[in-house]
Amino acid sequence: RKEVEQDPGPFNVPEGATVAFNCTYSNSASQSFFWYRQDCRKEPKLLMSVYSSGNEDGRFTAQLNRASQYISLLIRDSKLSDSATYLCVVNPPNTGNQFYFGTGTSLTVIP
Amino acid sequence: EAGVAQSPRYKIIEKRQSVAFWCNPISGHATLYWYQQILGQGPKLLIQFQNNGVVDDSQLPKDRFSAERLKGVDSTLKIQPAKLEDSAVYLCASSLAPSGGGGGYTFGSGTRLTVV
Repeated sequence: RKEVEQDPGPFNVPEGATVAFNCTYSNSASQSFFWYRQDCRKEPKLLMSVYSSGNEDGRFTAQLNRASQYISLLIRDSKLSDSATYLCVVNPPNTGNQFYFGTGTSLTVIP
Repeated sequence: EAGVAQSPRYKIIEKRQSVAFWCNPISGHATLYWYQQILGQGPKLLIQFQNNGVVDDSQLPKDRFSAERLKGVDSTLKIQPAKLEDSAVYLCASSLAPSGGGGGYTFGSGTRLTVV
């Protein structure tokens, strides 16, 4: 079983829409979770960490559900500039600072 | 703060040839990682260094891939001989902390390798 699984999409949404991505992880003892954003032909960049109590950064909200072992990313009021691939990242225990990346979910925001 | 530097940006080689990639992490970052990202997939860790020591190389195909970080700063990743399936983007990343989560990684812009 993969450490991290994501729906690859693609998600095509109109500007202003709300869109949500989920990601499941296999190691229930995992403690650190992140969402990265990757633009076409660019390197991944940290979008936000995911905290146990959930956290928000502007239009972006990240949630963690430990019971079901998934994390989510909600984007409100989508902008054209949100078009990218969103990578779910998990740092399982006892792996140093090794991150396991999902395959990414592709988002295209349409005018 | 200068980012993670990688070179070359692009490389095209024939199968069975050799190739080397270079990475210079953010100053002061003790931990350095090499990831392989095949088109349509997420990055996969190849090797993790803490200073000049290897922390994890369990997913490095050691029959053809090698990496070193001799002085604990910059690093090279080599493939010899290359196969068609090695075509990918090779990403270098660095972080301050060797363990735990926290602030995440900073990636370099990657080297896009095409093996023909």
